[in-house]
Amino acid sequence: GENVEQHPSTLSVQEGDSAVIKCTYSDSASNYFPWYKQELGKRPQLIIDIRSNVGEKKDQRIAVTLNKTAKHFSLHITETQPEDSAVYFCAASPPGGGNKLTFGTGTQLKVEL
Amino acid sequence: DAGVTQSPTHLIKTRGQQVTLRCSPKSGHDTVSWYQQALGQGPQFIFQYYEEEERQRGNFPDRFSGHQFPNYSSELNVNALLLGDSALYLCASSLATANSPLHFGNGTRLTVT
Repeated sequence: GENVEQHPSTLSVQEGDSAVIKCTYSDSASNYFPWYKQELGKRPQLIIDIRSNVGEKKDQRIAVTLNKTAKHFSLHITETQPEDSAVYFCAASPPGGGNKLTFGTGTQLKVEL
Repeated sequence: DAGVTQSPTHLIKTRGQQVTLRCSPKSGHDTVSWYQQALGQGPQFIFQYYEEEERQRGNFPDRFSGHQFPNYSSELNVNALLLGDSALYLCASSLATANSPLHFGNGTRLTVT
């Protein structure tokens, strides 16, 4: 089955700096890669997703890049703000997977003033 | 427009007991997936229901079972509870189309003593 590795496990940045979180996946057939943000005690919320026919997607301060050959994808957050502090999870889903997501182990992002 | 709702929010059970968790999907969604999230880990896929049938299953024992009702709501049942079943149980709803984004509920925190 699919295996998703995520790094780093913790990330501390100064407000205004950029943050990058990286994930690798094992199943070359996977074709859907969402990112979720989970604040303490709250539900995971989808912040951005990318499909395998696209190499990059951007939404305001958030962007995701996908390298299918290397089987890795990354989340980029620019101009970080304190409210960006949360745990971020990457995930992968195979074709026809019906949204059976395999999640990474999460990155605790802390944005310091 | 109500999102995904889960009940109860918290539950304490004794080892060996049985538990039932409930989920109502987001309005317009017809597919329900259940995930288990242990402390400090990413969510793990348990199973998915569509058209009142289990369509996909993750690597969980038969003690975990579920049901979907005609109104698309769903239940997760766990029998013979073990201490290791203590976790946050998340319900997610989506459309049946491939790679339809998952919308998560706030989860049920299950503690087994």
